[in-house]
Amino acid sequence: DAKTTQPNSMESNEEEPVHLPCNHSTISGTDYIHWYRQLPSQGPEYVIHGLTSNVNNRMASLAIAEDRKSSTLILHRATLRDAAVYYCILRGMDSNYQLIWGAGTKLIIKP
Amino acid sequence: DVKVTQSSRYLVKRTGEKVFLECVQDMDHENMFWYRQDPGLGLRLIYFSYDVKMKEKGDIPEGYSVSREKKERFSLILESASTNQTSMYLCASRVGGGNSNQPQHFGDGTRLSIL
Repeated sequence: DAKTTQPNSMESNEEEPVHLPCNHSTISGTDYIHWYRQLPSQGPEYVIHGLTSNVNNRMASLAIAEDRKSSTLILHRATLRDAAVYYCILRGMDSNYQLIWGAGTKLIIKP
Repeated sequence: DVKVTQSSRYLVKRTGEKVFLECVQDMDHENMFWYRQDPGLGLRLIYFSYDVKMKEKGDIPEGYSVSREKKERFSLILESASTNQTSMYLCASRVGGGNSNQPQHFGDGTRLSIL
């Protein structure tokens, strides 16, 4: 399975945009890029996913590099409630059910 | 909204006990999953079920079994609990379909301590 690399932690100021990077240099052509986040004392929560094109939803935007070897999750205006661990995960078409989870990035939001 | 409910937030059991962790989802999802989460190791898949009475081993099934008699309920069983099974256990559900990219919906977890 292709793996992802994320920074262990990042800090950002409240009400500013946040760009969370993810490297996946061994991604295959059929791997989807998924992002989840886990708030303290809760289970993980789906954020967004994409294949090739940039994606937007009410929570965030996903920017995917043209060569697909990296992607960036963008929180447009961070709030204190966005403090969480963010996981970038690849899901291959031959892994019917599984998501392979890494260690994620702990996002710290400063007031 | 999808609701995945795990029966206990915290549970303390003794070595050798048979332990049942229950998970119920209310959205008629075909797929259900059990993970454990340990510091530095992330989430690891124990078992999953793609439909009633169906089950497949994940990455770390040893010492665990599962039961899915009804669509909404997926139970994780520790046959004879050991201290190395002390962990956070997370249940998830998802709309079915083998190659579905639909999101997994998680419960809030059960923190299990084996003494």
